[in-house]
Amino acid sequence: DQQVKQNSPSLSVQEGRISILNCDYTNSMFDYFLWYKKYPAEGPTFLISISSIKDKNEDGRFTVFLNKSAKHLSLHIVPSQPGDSAVYFCAASALNSNYQLIWGAGTKLIIKP
Amino acid sequence: DTGVSQDPRHKITKRGQNVTFRCDPISEHNRLYWYRQTLGQGPEFLTYFQNEAQLEKSRLLSDRFSAERPKGSFSTLEIQRTEQGDSAMYLCASTHDGFFGQGTRLTVV
Repeated sequence: DQQVKQNSPSLSVQEGRISILNCDYTNSMFDYFLWYKKYPAEGPTFLISISSIKDKNEDGRFTVFLNKSAKHLSLHIVPSQPGDSAVYFCAASALNSNYQLIWGAGTKLIIKP
Repeated sequence: DTGVSQDPRHKITKRGQNVTFRCDPISEHNRLYWYRQTLGQGPEFLTYFQNEAQLEKSRLLSDRFSAERPKGSFSTLEIQRTEQGDSAMYLCASTHDGFFGQGTRLTVV
């Protein structure tokens, strides 16, 4: 049973436009959500996180939105740059599970010049 | 540089051999997590340490897998009698967010 789902395996966006990556979850106990970026053969790099008490968190070009009622979060990247091309993972955790991360399968983002 | 070091970066081994990986977390972080990632999937939780105590183990961690964290500092993950299905990227994380190592890519041939 996949508790965290990223339904788009890949996404192609024009450089300079907005990239929107989506993530859905099923476990209502999740209270902390994270987005990671990963290049091949490297470990995940943390991008941005959001606590369940918030509905938006912004850091530079990256904004994460959380809709608890829909159990949905999204990552917006604007403007998209060529260096943003990577696989993006959504992860969720809960205090009552020692904050172990439950991950989505990832979305491969391709930024076209 | 994330501050979490994993060694080796790559390991190729023959089926049936034992392998050991090492993770050096950020020194002031008392939590340490091991994850495994196979191609096309997100990382999966394996085990978790709070200081030297192994507090949780996933059912993915068969009896061929053992992890230790002596003195609450570095951690080792050993796989005995490796199988081809063990081929994956093994990731170590220091605290529950942010700081992952570069991973150890294991290939069992």
